[in-house]
Amino acid sequence: EAGVTQFPSHSVIEKGQTVTLRCDPISGHDNLYWYRRVMGKEIKFLLHFVKESKQDESGMPNNRFLAERTGGTYSTLKVQPAELEDSGVYFCASSQRRGGVDEQFFGPGTRLTVL
Amino acid sequence: AQSVAQPEDQVNVAEGNPLTVKCTYSVSGNPYLFWYVQYPNRGLQFLLKYITGDNLVKGSYGFEAEFNKSQTSFHLKKPSALVSDSALYFCAVRPTYSGAGSYQLTFGKGTKLSVIP
Repeated sequence: EAGVTQFPSHSVIEKGQTVTLRCDPISGHDNLYWYRRVMGKEIKFLLHFVKESKQDESGMPNNRFLAERTGGTYSTLKVQPAELEDSGVYFCASSQRRGGVDEQFFGPGTRLTVL
Repeated sequence: AQSVAQPEDQVNVAEGNPLTVKCTYSVSGNPYLFWYVQYPNRGLQFLLKYITGDNLVKGSYGFEAEFNKSQTSFHLKKPSALVSDSALYFCAVRPTYSGAGSYQLTFGKGTKLSVIP
């Protein structure tokens, strides 16, 4: 079974540019999450999709961040325009939707550097 | 609001010795607790979770964790450390209520474990 995949693995952009990160969850997982780790800090929750619907976007830092999950499969996270403080590692995770407490399976992350 | 503290940025242990990585949490009500491990250039891998029941939880790669409600702790342990256990370890908590925000994981800052041959 393929795990969660993320693309690109690294991205280096200039301040003010746009970047789009992609996440492909494990097949059949309805729940998809985005997290971010700024260097030296905790991994912070950004948002949660159930299928194509945003269930919880309370962690999105501001309106420069836009997440989509069209068709309930892969998801994209766009940062426009990027600022220096957006640098960090962006993790995507997925989990099944069923009764109980399912562990979230994480991708390798996308390391974003804004210069 | 919930929070997780991992008081040690780094833990060094000799190969073959027991290891402990500490975690304390703060949450309203009962928590769901998790440990994840991150190897270099890899994503976070799930190790184990506590939901309810037995306070001692066994997980992958010989790791276990003990839930202590009175001390609000969930320390990760292994009886005999391997060099291959060297990695970054994250403790996380999730609320037990249903509804908005209930799926969020709140992480600690991580503890770097180095197992010395």
